[in-house]
Amino acid sequence: EIVMTQSPATLSVSPGERATLSCRASQSVSSNLAWYQQKPGQAPRLLIYGASTRATGIPARFSGSGSGTEFTLTISSLQSEDFAVYYCQQYTSWPLTFGGGTKVEIK
Amino acid sequence: EVQLLESGGGLVQPGGSLRLSCAASGFTFSSYDMTWVRQAPGKGLEWVSSINTRTDGTRYADSVKGRFTISRDNSKNTLYLQMSSLRAEDTAVYYCAKSYNSYWFSSDWGRGTLVTVSS
Repeated sequence: EIVMTQSPATLSVSPGERATLSCRASQSVSSNLAWYQQKPGQAPRLLIYGASTRATGIPARFSGSGSGTEFTLTISSLQSEDFAVYYCQQYTSWPLTFGGGTKVEIK
Repeated sequence: EVQLLESGGGLVQPGGSLRLSCAASGFTFSSYDMTWVRQAPGKGLEWVSSINTRTDGTRYADSVKGRFTISRDNSKNTLYLQMSSLRAEDTAVYYCAKSYNSYWFSSDWGRGTLVTVSS
């Protein structure tokens, strides 16, 4: 099983600042990495797939990078609606696995 | 617009059974692989099970293997999750999710249905 580790667990950021979230895989997942955003009481929403491709309707301030075992989700200028929990997921092999999540909170 | 509507959740005693349904609309259901993902209260996302379009390919998390069965009825545009021998640790919101083309990540999610296993 590929273990996905996200850091930090919580990130305190001021509106308008840049946020950088990390996701590490225990073995290579190539570029088969997705990022999701989840707000309280809501279902997850797909942000990024293929490590760096934005899903339909996702603002350009969200960007993904990395390959192999190290991945990054960057939010260039945090808006109020971006405060949420973010999960990475690998889809290169079974079982599909998610990271534990990074909560982005208002500083 | 893609819509996924889960139903069938509720309170069940340990050892009991429950069947979840996910009614799909707004896309050609038979053309997409589907997945169940769950989230225990206050916890992260956990993949549960996936099924391919032809129904001949199913996968399960070790934590549910032998107890849960995923299935689909393409004529009814509905995904199912039959859950048996339920345990307290199965308590979670269960999400139905649509795969993106032939890749196993989820482009669309339902709102979820809560399953509570408790005596």
